[in-house]
Amino acid sequence: EAQVTQNPRYLITVTGKKLTVTCSQNMNHEYMSWYRQDPGLGLRQIYYSMNVEVTDKGDVPEGYKVSRKEKRNFPLILESPSPNQTSLYFCASSYGSAKNIQYFGAGTRLSVL
Amino acid sequence: DQQVKQNSPSLSVQEGRISILNCDYTNSMFDYFLWYKKYPAEGPTFLISISSIKDKNEDGRFTVFLNKSAKHLSLHIVPSQPGDSAVYFCAASVWGDMRFGAGTRLTVKP
Repeated sequence: EAQVTQNPRYLITVTGKKLTVTCSQNMNHEYMSWYRQDPGLGLRQIYYSMNVEVTDKGDVPEGYKVSRKEKRNFPLILESPSPNQTSLYFCASSYGSAKNIQYFGAGTRLSVL
Repeated sequence: DQQVKQNSPSLSVQEGRISILNCDYTNSMFDYFLWYKKYPAEGPTFLISISSIKDKNEDGRFTVFLNKSAKHLSLHIVPSQPGDSAVYFCAASVWGDMRFGAGTRLTVKP
């Protein structure tokens, strides 16, 4: 089954404790992206990757890091989480670019205390 | 700044009637526009898209209209069904960059 898998689905952590949210897709997609969803703001793009070893900043990259060492994986790293990073996070992937249909993971709800 | 805006947070329509969801954008570089639908506790799913070289795209009950001069697009759902009740996000892209609106919650009443 074609899918985008995020882990964990729920995470509660404390300020400053490094964490990684993993994202994996099994569709051989070149493009992968991370978004955060906040009330009244919709989905905002954090980082995207057009292919292996190619990443670029989205709309709200501050406080986040990503890497794309393999085509299927695109982890999101919060080196020193802060309460304003409490949000619902989605990973997505597609063929080629953002123009094509993006397939989203089920989301990761993160709370930073 | 929000480059894609959905000014109606919610919309309620009767089953069988038309639903019209609106979206405005500010960046004239956007060349592809998409609508995604989201149910609670799930990720968004693709609904319909349109290239900037077109002004209309139709897929079954769903039609997207693009007015480039007004930087406006709309999604028409005819006829609306209770299963269409969800949050609808408008999105605009140029290459890898993707911007979403804040979403419109559609409720279709039986």
